[in-house]
Parts: sequence; structure tokens; C-alpha cells
Amino acid sequence: GAGVSQSPSNKVTEKGKDVELRCDPISGHTALYWYRQSLGQGLEFLIYFQGNSAPDKSGLPSDRFSAERTGGSVSTLTIQRTQQEDSAVYLCASSLARSSGGSTDTQYFGPGTRLTVL
Amino acid sequence: SQKIEQNSEALNIQEGKTATLTCNYTNYSPAYLQWYRQDPGRGPVFLLLIRENEKEKRKERLKVTFDTTLKQSLFHITASQPADSATYLCALEGYGQNFVFGPGTRLSVLP
Repeated sequence: GAGVSQSPSNKVTEKGKDVELRCDPISGHTALYWYRQSLGQGLEFLIYFQGNSAPDKSGLPSDRFSAERTGGSVSTLTIQRTQQEDSAVYLCASSLARSSGGSTDTQYFGPGTRLTVL
Repeated sequence: SQKIEQNSEALNIQEGKTATLTCNYTNYSPAYLQWYRQDPGRGPVFLLLIRENEKEKRKERLKVTFDTTLKQSLFHITASQPADSATYLCALEGYGQNFVFGPGTRLSVLP
């Protein structure tokens, strides 16, 4: 079956522009995560969606970052007024469930979107 | 604040030897600990999960230990091969909490 897909794979933008990153999770997965990975750094949690519940936005670094998930499937991460420090790889992951205590917590990652802000 | 450390940023070993990677954490009480592999330009791929009440987990040439007293997990790859070269990430999850990933260890298995 298809895995998690993300688009675009690469995005180069100018400082101050808005960008939208898209994530298509695995069909049937109710949990969806966004992470950011800077060069040589670990994954930084950004936001988490679980079914129809309110998203956990605790990892968003500023109010320039927002995300939505339509119909419990596709998710879009939006960065407004991009800054050079936003340059990173943005990874999306999905899992069957959340905190169920078992292997369904395993996250399946997409290939990421490499964002470069000039 | 929560902190996760993984041993040296990079680890070089000879083919056939056992690679041992370390994940240490502070100010955290994880219910589960996972190990992922990440190749350049790719997203992480899940390898193994171990629960807080489990001491050891094995899968083929992989072995993970979890010591909640030492707040440490060890990840072993036996009979290592050049194809095992990648970055390995540990990730911790507490009950009802989000995943926290370590910075990763880049493993190079030399032929």
C-alpha cells in the first residue's frame, strides 16, 4: 500500500513569503504529526492531530506557523512571512492510533519537504 | 527540562563487529521507547519498540535494552554490515505525551 507522501519535495522561497506544505497520510491512520528537522538536529515536534479532536499545537515555534487537517486525512502546514531560520526539512508522520499502548503508536514518516528560505 | 542524548554524533565500526548505540534521557518518564533508522534524504523508519516494563527486545540482528533506573537504552546491531550505515534515532513517549526524539547517531560500518 501507499506510504505517507509529502509535497513538494523541495521548496525554495524568499524571506517574507508564505509557504504551504502538504501531507497525505496512510489511509486509515487517525493520528498525524508534523516535525521539523534542521541540519544535524533531532526531530522537533510541531503539531499533532488525532481524529476529530482539537490539535496539539504545543510545538509550533511562533504564530507564523499553522496547520490544518481536512476530513481527517490530508494536512497542510502553512508558514507565513517565512524567515531564514525556518529553513529545514519538514517531516510528516502518521500512525494508526495514539497512546494505545502498543505497536499502533509506530509512526510512519513521509520523505519530507526541504524548505530553503533565501 | 527534558533532555535526550545519544552517544557520539558519529560512530565508525568495522564490518562484522557489533555496533552499540546509546540513548540517555533526563527529566522524563517514558512509557515507551522506540528506535528509528534514517537514511540521507529520507524520513525515519521504525525499527523496534520497547515498553517501560520490558528489559530487552530482539529482532533479527537488532537488540534493544531499556533500563529505567539508569534512564538509558542501548541499541545493538550484531554482525554489522555496510548497509547498516545510517543515522539512528531514539524516541521517547510518555503516557499522553508527544514523542521526543534524540539528535541521532550517525553509524558508519566500514568494509
